[in-house]
Amino acid sequence: GESVGLHLPTLSVQEGDNSIINCAYSNSASDYFIWYKQESGKGPQFIIDIRSNMDKRQGQRVTVLLNKTVKHLSLQIAATQPGDSAVYFCAENMGNQGGKLIFGQGTELSVKP
Amino acid sequence: EPEVTQTPSHQVTQMGQEVILRCVPISNHLYFYWYRQILGQKVEFLVSFYNNEISEKSEIFDDQFSVERPDGSNFTLKIRSTKLEDSAMYFCASSEFRGSGNTIYFGEGSWLTVV
Repeated sequence: GESVGLHLPTLSVQEGDNSIINCAYSNSASDYFIWYKQESGKGPQFIIDIRSNMDKRQGQRVTVLLNKTVKHLSLQIAATQPGDSAVYFCAENMGNQGGKLIFGQGTELSVKP
Repeated sequence: EPEVTQTPSHQVTQMGQEVILRCVPISNHLYFYWYRQILGQKVEFLVSFYNNEISEKSEIFDDQFSVERPDGSNFTLKIRSTKLEDSAMYFCASSEFRGSGNTIYFGEGSWLTVV
């Protein structure tokens, strides 16, 4: 069935370290993946996305890796800052389902100064 | 940067009452969505809307719910006869196009508390 899940519910890192947040998905038909950041009391904020025809995509301090063989997605945050503290969700989308995103449970990232 | 705006930010309503949550999508976007997040849970898709009609809806979006674009800028979610379990954060979202690869932008949410 459709499911997107995260391996770890919480992640605590030291300021300046790199963070890696993982996500597993089960639907091989999904062809678009997005990482959202959600701060307390706010809406999901788009961070980075990747299409299924790519393995890696880089943004500013963030990198998303997609491994279709094992249906795994990861978000890497370089030089993590206190402002990165939030819940991070991965979401998947199938091309024939338009804006219907399937969200994972979320990983809470806590950055220690 | 353009953003999706939602009102009210927080609403408390009596069980059985009707509520209307309002959204102003990003101006050049054509596709609109409502999602819901119960406290501590993941974000769930409710409905997508295009060209003044529902494109897709989830099993959550039953006859209790309806959406409307009453004018050129607003997009509303109406919840009739609210129940305690309707308490959640409701997010409006919009995208320029439909389909895979089109970024969906979310509003800050409307927190609904049913008492």
